[in-house]
This record gives sequence, structure tokens and C-alpha cells, in this order.
Amino acid sequence: QKEVEQDPGPLSVPEGAIVSLNCTYSNSAFQYFMWYRQYSRKGPELLMYTYSSGNKEDGRFTAQVDKSSKYISLFIRDSQPSDSATYLCAMRSFNKFYFGSGTKLNVKP
Amino acid sequence: GAVVSQHPSRVICKSGTSVKIECRSLDFQATTMFWYRQFPKQSLMLMATSNEGSKATYEQGVEKDKFLINHASLTLSTLTVTSAHPEDSSFYICSAQRDRDEKLFFGSGTQLSVL
Repeated sequence: QKEVEQDPGPLSVPEGAIVSLNCTYSNSAFQYFMWYRQYSRKGPELLMYTYSSGNKEDGRFTAQVDKSSKYISLFIRDSQPSDSATYLCAMRSFNKFYFGSGTKLNVKP
Repeated sequence: GAVVSQHPSRVICKSGTSVKIECRSLDFQATTMFWYRQFPKQSLMLMATSNEGSKATYEQGVEKDKFLINHASLTLSTLTVTSAHPEDSSFYICSAQRDRDEKLFFGSGTQLSVL
């Protein structure tokens, strides 16, 4: 079983839709949770960074962490074609980072 | 925000040659840098962890003599692919961690193609 599970997609939505991206994990020692956006042939860009269970909002993005269920989500409101990319979840334990396989998102105009 | 610069962005070389990739943290000091390899449509595969002034720690299955890592200063780490072969062709990405900060910032990646 992988440490971090993430549906690879692809996920295709119309412009303006609310997008929900999710990851599950098995290691209860994970303390920090991140979401990265990666455009094709570019390095990942940090979008959201959370520590505790609950919600964190930044503009159109909301990160949600449920430690009891070992489940994290990223919500994108009013999705735009420029949001089309691969989204990676990441988790940290004792300075080692674990990445999901990434979900490819396509927002259609 | 923190900026990590990686060069070159793309390199094409002949089999048997060595290639050096640079990773610099431009506006912060990075005591730890990580090197990843990414195959198409796959996630990041950690190759090694590099700490300033000490030897890199390689992940299982990664040849340390083939992938030489040098972290000579708090802002620079280099990855040298020695005697490159076509199977080394891949997308290589570095990342840096700010001292006393848990966030990880990535470079823009290097696409290596070995002919």
C-alpha cells in the first residue's frame, strides 16, 4: 500500500465549476500537508500548506484536512482554464516528504 | 515567496558525457535540498537529500557514483549525471527547504535527453 493515494484523473470540468481534489494517507505520523500545482514540464508550485485539521482558505483555493479519516482535499472555486494542470498532494513526517501521484485537471472554456 | 532557480531547463547530450545541473535558492538559505526524478505522468521520485557541507543521502536504488551531488553552500546544490546513457533521460527537479521552515520550494526542472 502506498503511503499517499491520489486519483490520477484526468478530471475534466467546465469553466466556473467547483473542483474537488482528494488524497488519502495511511501514516498517522504525517504532520504537514501541502498542495502543489504543476504545469507540464515545470517544477511544482506550492499552493497551500496546512498543519492542523480543518479548513484553510486562500483566494479561490480551500485546503481541508481530516486527520481522523486520514483524508485531505483541495477545493477550487470558480475554476479557470488557467487552473488546468496536475495537482500533487504532499505530506511531511520527520523532514521526509511523501507525494501523491498527481491528479490531472482540465478546465474547459 | 521563496525562489529556487534551476539550470539548465533543457539539455541534450551524447551518450557517455557528463551533465551538471545547478539548483540555487535565490532569496533564502537552504540547509537542505532534495533532488527528484520524474517520469511522464508519474509523481516525483526522491533521489537524494543534500545537506550543506555534508555528503548527500541517497535513496535505495540510486547509484551515488552515477548521480554526484554537491551542496557546497547554503544557496547552491549541483547534480552531475556522470557518463549519461539514454536510460538516464528524464525530468530532474530540485527543491529547497528553508532553515526552520517546513515548506518545500521547487526549481523549474531540467529535461535531460541522452542520445
